[in-house]
Amino acid sequence: EDKVVQSPLSLVVHEGDTVTLNCSYEVTNFRSLLWYKQEKKAPTFLFMLTSSGIEKKSGRLSSILDKKELFSILNITATQTGDSAVYLCAAPRQGAQKLVFGQGTRLTINP
Amino acid sequence: DAMVIQNPRYQVTQFGKPVTLSCSQTLNHNVMYWYQQKSSQAPKLLFHYYDKDFNNEADTPDNFQSRRPNTSFCFLDIRSPGLGDAAMYLCATSSGTAVPEAFFGQGTRLTVV
Repeated sequence: EDKVVQSPLSLVVHEGDTVTLNCSYEVTNFRSLLWYKQEKKAPTFLFMLTSSGIEKKSGRLSSILDKKELFSILNITATQTGDSAVYLCAAPRQGAQKLVFGQGTRLTINP
Repeated sequence: DAMVIQNPRYQVTQFGKPVTLSCSQTLNHNVMYWYQQKSSQAPKLLFHYYDKDFNNEADTPDNFQSRRPNTSFCFLDIRSPGLGDAAMYLCATSSGTAVPEAFFGQGTRLTVV
């Protein structure tokens, strides 16, 4: 059965800290892994990763994929209170049509 | 701006009273999805349409039905809502090509009383 597992499930840090969120996956015919940020409403897209070892960056956020070890990490540097959210990773199965989501990591940034 | 719009944002329904949630998209995407997300849990796929082809997940209860009358609109019907159906319902779309990125609507939070 396809699955995506995230860790930790919950993380509380102080503003300015750097955090690393983990996502491991077992998906048939793996093609890509996606990261989403979910605040109080719908998930918003952050990154899609398809190749091993290539880092995707957007400001203070970056992500990398390891296809050999079947995991991805999401790094956030110099965290701000606005980074508080649930971070979801997902991988498509059955081609590109279905996303299997992990449980999410609830990140809380305290001032 | 092209987007995915869900209505209503908040819905309160009575136990056992049929309810319909709606989703529209201006992205002209082939695929539309309905996810159920309960508190502190991952979104769970209920079903999806690839164009007019309906694809039900094996563990989606019969109580949940969907309609897609055209490319732009998709509806989620809950025939007899139970207390356990209270959740956030997320509609999403994707192009259905090799790019799997899904675009989500704002969600409808369903409360069953």
